[in-house]
Amino acid sequence: GAGVSQSPSNKVTEKGKDVELRCDPISGHTALYWYRQSLGQGLEFLIYFQGNSAPDKSGLPSDRFSAERTGGSVSTLTIQRTQQEDSAVYLCASSLVGIFNQPQHFGDGTRLSIL
Amino acid sequence: GQNIDQPTEMTATEGAIVQINCTYQTSGFNGLFWYQQHAGEAPTFLSYNVLDGLEEKGRFSSFLSRSKGYSYLLLKELQMKDSASYLCAVMDSNYQLIWGAGTKLIIKP
Repeated sequence: GAGVSQSPSNKVTEKGKDVELRCDPISGHTALYWYRQSLGQGLEFLIYFQGNSAPDKSGLPSDRFSAERTGGSVSTLTIQRTQQEDSAVYLCASSLVGIFNQPQHFGDGTRLSIL
Repeated sequence: GQNIDQPTEMTATEGAIVQINCTYQTSGFNGLFWYQQHAGEAPTFLSYNVLDGLEEKGRFSSFLSRSKGYSYLLLKELQMKDSASYLCAVMDSNYQLIWGAGTKLIIKP
């Protein structure tokens, strides 16, 4: 597609359940980023992929969070045993690799609500 | 540590000019980005500065002073649709973007 696509757009689940969020980056973008944004707050960096590898996982909040990327394209962010504090909008962005002045392009996000 | 500072909120009048400041302290510098984010939407790219000076793009301009660790976004001829949050982000020596918390701009008629 023309832009970054994320699914689902909204997810409501019960505390303790696992959730999987998907990101399909812009074709040709080898860098992919996951962020979290709580209501009225700034962007919280979670993880960054260069191709299929993740050189920077420093932002993952706990071991309940994991992410993978296959084929240098689609990425999934998995949250296990969800907690209410996981409620937020999860944003994915992609950019051209090796061209550091290229901006990150964002998807519309997944709004996650934990009951 | 790395730090980006922006005012939390600003108010301006339709048709006027507003300047949103951003100061930063990062491990290295590979450019500064400004993004616009409307409520409930994803951030969209506005501008990029890597050299000192002013970059103009229509009603929006962005300024950078690397020696002062300072940038501003200047919005002219404000329109109601400019009501949004404006995010400042700096790319550090590892080519990672460090994000500010954003400035919520409220435009009044």
